Amino acid sequence: DTGVSQDPRHKITKRGQNVTFRCDPISEHNRLYWYRQTLGQGPEFLTYFQNEAQLEKSRLLSDRFSAERPKGSFSTLEIQRTEQGDSAMYLCASSLDSREGFADTQYFGPGTRLTVL
Amino acid sequence: GQNIDQPTEMTATEGAIVQINCTYQTSGFNGLFWYQQHAGEAPTFLSYNVLDGLEEKGRFSSFLSRSKGYSYLLLKELQMKDSASYLCAVRDRDYQLIWGAGTKLIIKP
Repeated sequence: DTGVSQDPRHKITKRGQNVTFRCDPISEHNRLYWYRQTLGQGPEFLTYFQNEAQLEKSRLLSDRFSAERPKGSFSTLEIQRTEQGDSAMYLCASSLDSREGFADTQYFGPGTRLTVL
Repeated sequence: GQNIDQPTEMTATEGAIVQINCTYQTSGFNGLFWYQQHAGEAPTFLSYNVLDGLEEKGRFSSFLSRSKGYSYLLLKELQMKDSASYLCAVRDRDYQLIWGAGTKLIIKP
């Protein structure tokens, strides 16, 4: 396994369209995270999964955003009725464990750059 | 609220040493991470500190003082390829990562 992968790497869409992104984590990792990042800012947390369970979702996240991880492996992030403000880099990260005493380092995929026209 | 502060931009000379500071105010503390991010790419993990003191890893070192809510990343023998943004992130009591906005490091010949 060579790391976290994301598809597509780039997506250009028109306002109002729906888009879906995929993330394949490092195979033995049980945690998967979605972030959004805009230029000059750090990653903004969107949601995360432990195995197939979605444990937390950002309060700032619009209802237009939904994520799934049906079998505890890959995950999808869907944005419905896209808006120009959704233009950003969408990053996926995975980690092995978050028990106290473990680093639980997150490893990032290359990201999907979304442009909404 | 939770807050991570880093300088927005720093400039250094190839071959020199640079220190990037990070101060934090978070709800609890369960470790601090430094990541490197080249323009248009994803963050890559550099270091992790959970106890006070210095962690050294090749040309990069990271220091933590939990009582002061302070960390720094020290880069030695700077190379042009070190030009990137450096992100500080703190894991809070709920084990969520709180991210700084990053420090853009410019290396000049």
